[in-house]
Amino acid sequence: DAGITQSPRYKITETGRQVTLMCHQTWSHSYMFWYRQDLGHGLRLIYYSAAADITDKGEVPDGYVVSRSKTENFPLTLESATRSQTSVYFCASSPQGHSGNTIYFGEGSWLTVV
Amino acid sequence: AQTVTQSQPEMSVQEAETVTLSCTYDTSESDYYLFWYKQPPSRQMILVIRQEAYKQQNATENRFSVNFQKAAKSFSLKISDSQLGDAAMYFCAYRDGQNFVFGPGTRLSVLP
Repeated sequence: DAGITQSPRYKITETGRQVTLMCHQTWSHSYMFWYRQDLGHGLRLIYYSAAADITDKGEVPDGYVVSRSKTENFPLTLESATRSQTSVYFCASSPQGHSGNTIYFGEGSWLTVV
Repeated sequence: AQTVTQSQPEMSVQEAETVTLSCTYDTSESDYYLFWYKQPPSRQMILVIRQEAYKQQNATENRFSVNFQKAAKSFSLKISDSQLGDAAMYFCAYRDGQNFVFGPGTRLSVLP
Protein backbone atom coordinates (compact mmCIF):
# COMPACT_ATOMS: atom_id res chain seq x y z
CA ASP A 1 0.00 0.00 0.00
CA ALA A 2 2.03 2.96 -1.30
CA GLY A 3 -0.31 5.70 0.00
CA ILE A 4 0.86 9.14 -1.06
CA THR A 5 4.15 9.63 -2.80
CA GLN A 6 5.75 12.97 -3.54
CA SER A 7 8.56 13.67 -5.97
CA PRO A 8 11.11 15.03 -5.96
CA ARG A 9 11.81 14.80 -2.25
CA TYR A 10 14.57 17.40 -2.51
CA LYS A 11 15.02 20.10 -5.11
CA ILE A 12 17.24 23.12 -5.52
CA THR A 13 16.28 25.54 -8.26
CA GLU A 14 17.10 29.04 -9.36
CA THR A 15 14.94 32.10 -9.14
CA GLY A 16 12.66 32.44 -12.14
CA ARG A 17 12.64 28.79 -13.12
CA GLN A 18 9.51 26.70 -13.36
CA VAL A 19 9.28 23.82 -10.91
CA THR A 20 6.69 21.06 -10.66
CA LEU A 21 6.17 18.99 -7.55
CA MET A 22 4.41 15.72 -8.19
CA CYS A 23 1.90 14.00 -5.94
CA HIS A 24 0.39 10.57 -6.47
CA GLN A 25 -2.04 8.69 -4.21
CA THR A 26 -3.17 5.09 -4.48
CA TRP A 27 -6.30 5.25 -2.31
CA SER A 28 -8.64 6.92 -4.82
CA HIS A 29 -9.37 9.63 -2.26
CA SER A 30 -11.56 12.39 -3.61
CA TYR A 31 -9.84 15.26 -1.83
CA MET A 32 -6.25 16.28 -2.34
CA PHE A 33 -4.37 19.19 -0.83
CA TRP A 34 -1.09 21.06 -1.09
CA TYR A 35 0.34 22.71 2.00
CA ARG A 36 3.56 24.56 2.62
CA GLN A 37 5.27 24.47 5.97
CA ASP A 38 7.40 27.38 7.12
CA LEU A 39 8.83 28.08 10.54
CA GLY A 40 6.33 29.98 12.67
CA HIS A 41 3.44 29.45 10.26
CA GLY A 42 2.61 25.82 10.65
CA LEU A 43 0.90 24.36 7.60
CA ARG A 44 -0.71 26.76 5.16
CA LEU A 45 -3.04 25.58 2.44
CA ILE A 46 -2.01 26.47 -1.09
CA TYR A 47 -4.65 24.70 -3.18
CA TYR A 48 -7.05 21.85 -2.77
CA SER A 49 -9.16 19.68 -5.03
CA ALA A 50 -12.46 17.99 -4.25
CA ALA A 51 -12.36 15.75 -7.33
CA ALA A 52 -10.78 15.42 -10.75
CA ASP A 53 -11.01 18.70 -12.66
CA ILE A 54 -12.14 20.62 -9.56
CA THR A 55 -9.61 22.81 -7.80
CA ASP A 56 -9.86 25.73 -5.39
CA LYS A 57 -7.50 28.25 -3.88
CA GLY A 58 -6.39 28.01 -0.31
CA GLU A 59 -4.79 30.57 1.96
CA VAL A 60 -1.61 31.22 -0.05
CA PRO A 61 -2.20 30.41 -3.75
CA ASP A 62 -0.21 33.24 -5.40
CA GLY A 63 2.63 32.02 -7.57
CA TYR A 64 1.31 28.46 -7.75
CA VAL A 65 -0.71 26.50 -10.28
CA VAL A 66 -2.37 23.11 -9.86
CA SER A 67 -4.20 20.66 -12.05
CA ARG A 68 -6.09 17.45 -11.44
CA SER A 69 -6.81 15.61 -14.66
CA LYS A 70 -6.79 12.25 -12.86
CA THR A 71 -8.05 11.44 -9.38
CA GLU A 72 -4.72 10.01 -8.29
CA ASN A 73 -2.44 12.87 -9.35
CA PHE A 74 -2.27 16.44 -8.12
CA PRO A 75 0.85 18.26 -9.36
CA LEU A 76 1.85 21.66 -8.01
CA THR A 77 3.72 24.04 -10.32
CA LEU A 78 5.69 27.11 -9.37
CA GLU A 79 5.58 29.05 -12.62
CA SER A 80 8.49 31.38 -11.79
CA ALA A 81 10.12 30.39 -8.53
CA THR A 82 11.02 33.04 -5.97
CA ARG A 83 13.16 32.80 -2.84
CA SER A 84 10.05 33.24 -0.70
CA GLN A 85 8.83 29.93 -2.06
CA THR A 86 11.66 28.08 -0.35
CA SER A 87 9.73 25.75 1.92
CA VAL A 88 8.70 22.21 2.67
CA TYR A 89 5.68 21.22 0.61
CA PHE A 90 3.24 18.55 1.73
CA CYS A 91 0.70 16.84 -0.43
CA ALA A 92 -2.24 15.25 1.37
CA SER A 93 -5.45 13.40 0.60
CA SER A 94 -8.71 12.63 2.32
CA PRO A 95 -11.74 10.48 1.54
CA GLN A 96 -14.94 12.10 0.35
CA GLY A 97 -17.88 13.07 2.42
CA HIS A 98 -17.78 12.86 6.18
CA SER A 99 -15.83 15.79 7.52
CA GLY A 100 -14.47 13.56 10.24
CA ASN A 101 -12.37 11.76 7.70
CA THR A 102 -8.79 12.39 8.50
CA ILE A 103 -6.17 13.75 6.16
CA TYR A 104 -3.19 11.65 5.10
CA PHE A 105 0.12 13.27 4.26
CA GLY A 106 2.96 12.51 1.94
CA GLU A 107 6.52 12.69 3.21
CA GLY A 108 7.13 16.22 1.97
CA SER A 109 9.19 17.87 -0.73
CA TRP A 110 12.01 20.17 0.36
CA LEU A 111 12.36 23.01 -2.13
CA THR A 112 15.15 25.56 -2.04
CA VAL A 113 15.10 28.52 -4.42
CA VAL A 114 18.46 30.26 -4.80
CA ALA B 1 -12.53 32.36 8.45
CA GLN B 2 -11.71 29.62 10.87
CA THR B 3 -8.50 30.00 12.85
CA VAL B 4 -6.56 27.71 15.13
CA THR B 5 -4.26 29.05 17.83
CA GLN B 6 -1.58 27.25 19.79
CA SER B 7 -0.22 29.68 22.34
CA GLN B 8 2.77 27.59 23.43
CA PRO B 9 5.50 27.58 20.76
CA GLU B 10 7.66 25.27 22.90
CA MET B 11 7.16 23.03 25.87
CA SER B 12 9.20 20.47 27.75
CA VAL B 13 8.32 17.56 29.99
CA GLN B 14 10.26 15.12 32.08
CA GLU B 15 10.13 11.52 30.93
CA ALA B 16 7.23 9.63 32.58
CA GLU B 17 5.49 12.87 33.53
CA THR B 18 2.30 14.37 32.10
CA VAL B 19 2.09 17.40 29.83
CA THR B 20 -0.81 19.33 28.34
CA LEU B 21 -0.66 21.19 25.04
CA SER B 22 -3.19 23.97 24.47
CA CYS B 23 -5.26 24.73 21.41
CA THR B 24 -8.08 27.18 20.79
CA TYR B 25 -10.05 27.70 17.63
CA ASP B 26 -12.57 30.07 16.21
CA THR B 27 -15.60 28.96 14.25
CA SER B 28 -19.27 29.72 13.84
CA GLU B 29 -20.06 26.16 12.81
CA SER B 30 -21.72 23.65 15.11
CA ASP B 31 -20.60 20.49 13.34
CA TYR B 32 -16.88 20.04 12.93
CA TYR B 33 -13.95 17.86 13.87
CA LEU B 34 -10.73 18.52 15.71
CA PHE B 35 -7.45 16.69 15.39
CA TRP B 36 -4.01 16.52 16.89
CA TYR B 37 -1.14 15.61 14.59
CA LYS B 38 2.41 14.75 15.59
CA GLN B 39 5.38 15.64 13.39
CA PRO B 40 8.65 14.00 14.51
CA PRO B 41 12.02 15.09 13.09
CA SER B 42 11.37 12.89 10.06
CA ARG B 43 8.63 15.44 9.17
CA GLN B 44 6.05 12.72 8.68
CA MET B 45 2.61 13.91 9.82
CA ILE B 46 1.00 11.34 12.12
CA LEU B 47 -2.57 11.47 13.41
CA VAL B 48 -2.62 11.29 17.20
CA ILE B 49 -6.27 11.73 18.10
CA ARG B 50 -9.58 12.99 16.72
CA GLN B 51 -12.62 14.56 18.38
CA GLU B 52 -16.12 15.01 17.00
CA ALA B 53 -17.65 18.29 18.09
CA TYR B 54 -21.09 16.88 18.74
CA LYS B 55 -19.73 14.29 21.16
CA GLN B 56 -19.52 15.30 24.80
CA GLN B 57 -17.11 12.55 25.70
CA ASN B 58 -13.44 13.38 25.37
CA ALA B 59 -11.48 11.20 22.97
CA THR B 60 -8.73 8.94 24.31
CA GLU B 61 -6.02 6.97 22.54
CA ASN B 62 -3.77 5.08 24.95
CA ARG B 63 -1.57 7.70 26.65
CA PHE B 64 -3.14 10.55 24.70
CA SER B 65 -6.38 12.22 25.69
CA VAL B 66 -8.09 15.50 24.99
CA ASN B 67 -10.00 18.04 27.03
CA PHE B 68 -12.63 19.38 24.67
CA GLN B 69 -14.50 22.46 25.86
CA LYS B 70 -16.90 23.34 23.05
CA ALA B 71 -18.29 26.52 24.55
CA ALA B 72 -14.81 27.82 25.21
CA LYS B 73 -13.59 26.55 21.81
CA SER B 74 -10.70 24.84 23.50
CA PHE B 75 -9.12 21.52 22.58
CA SER B 76 -6.08 20.59 24.67
CA LEU B 77 -3.99 17.44 24.36
CA LYS B 78 -2.77 15.58 27.42
CA ILE B 79 0.13 13.18 27.11
CA SER B 80 0.53 10.87 30.08
CA ASP B 81 3.66 8.91 30.98
CA SER B 82 5.68 10.88 28.45
CA GLN B 83 8.24 8.94 26.46
CA LEU B 84 11.33 10.06 24.58
CA GLY B 85 9.58 9.15 21.35
CA ASP B 86 6.89 11.73 22.07
CA ALA B 87 9.34 14.52 21.29
CA ALA B 88 7.97 16.23 18.19
CA MET B 89 6.02 19.15 16.83
CA TYR B 90 2.33 18.87 17.63
CA PHE B 91 -0.29 20.51 15.45
CA CYS B 92 -3.87 21.10 16.37
CA ALA B 93 -6.23 21.06 13.37
CA TYR B 94 -9.85 21.87 12.67
CA ARG B 95 -12.07 20.56 9.91
CA ASP B 96 -15.54 21.42 8.72
CA GLY B 97 -16.60 20.19 5.31
CA GLN B 98 -13.63 20.14 3.03
CA ASN B 99 -11.29 22.57 4.74
CA PHE B 100 -8.55 21.62 7.16
CA VAL B 101 -6.99 24.46 9.17
CA PHE B 102 -3.83 23.91 11.20
CA GLY B 103 -2.41 25.78 14.14
CA PRO B 104 1.22 26.99 14.16
CA GLY B 105 2.39 24.05 16.26
CA THR B 106 3.99 23.38 19.65
CA ARG B 107 7.44 21.87 19.84
CA LEU B 108 7.57 19.32 22.66
CA SER B 109 10.86 18.24 24.19
CA VAL B 110 11.04 15.21 26.47
CA LEU B 111 13.82 15.30 29.04
CA PRO B 112 15.35 12.01 30.21
